[in-house]
Amino acid sequence: EAEVAQSPRYKITEKSQAVAFWCDPISGHATLYWYRQILGQGPELLVQFQDESVVDDSQLPKDRFSAERLKGVDSTLKIQPAELGDSAMYLCASRRMANTGELFFGEGSRLTVL
Amino acid sequence: LAKTTQPISMDSYEGQEVNITCSHNNIATNDYITWYQQFPSQGPRFIIQGYKTKVTNEVASLFIPADRKSSTLSLPRVSLSDTAVYYCLVGDGTPSSNTGKLIFGQGTTLQVKP
Repeated sequence: EAEVAQSPRYKITEKSQAVAFWCDPISGHATLYWYRQILGQGPELLVQFQDESVVDDSQLPKDRFSAERLKGVDSTLKIQPAELGDSAMYLCASRRMANTGELFFGEGSRLTVL
Repeated sequence: LAKTTQPISMDSYEGQEVNITCSHNNIATNDYITWYQQFPSQGPRFIIQGYKTKVTNEVASLFIPADRKSSTLSLPRVSLSDTAVYYCLVGDGTPSSNTGKLIFGQGTTLQVKP
């Protein structure tokens, strides 16, 4: 069964350092999402891609966060500099089309900022 | 985007049927209702999706009244492994926007006891 791949699974960093997360969606899935989930809360949408284009990044803290999906396949989410409040699970999800069908989530990347 | 309201937590016992109700008073005409399940340290997993009346699959049923302002996820004969957080989402199916933005609420933490 095809899966959404994410790496690293766990990341510990010190504040002010740079960190990057990678996501490889299910083949053929045009829509890709990055969510941030703080412990005890629901996932919060950070950015949505349709192919290589950003559809929605209204909740992305653009002073420190950036996301790209250059060839419309895999995607990278970067944080620079990391802050203590960025400690969370970063989830990537994909689906075949923008407005239909289920989301398939990866296992997530757990970030701890010290 | 329609906001959803769910109970924060629910308790049940093995073998019982569990019904989790979600309120979505300002659901749009074209919005679908989708439920996801999330275990600790994992990404959410699709359970079921519906538009109106009743939908049933191998793991759950979804009941949607005629006014569509609420929905009820029904889990038959729960087991300990059904202990998880359950999220109700409303969205998609908006032909004009085509953004496919999906917003998670706080979810309902279901605790199944032996």
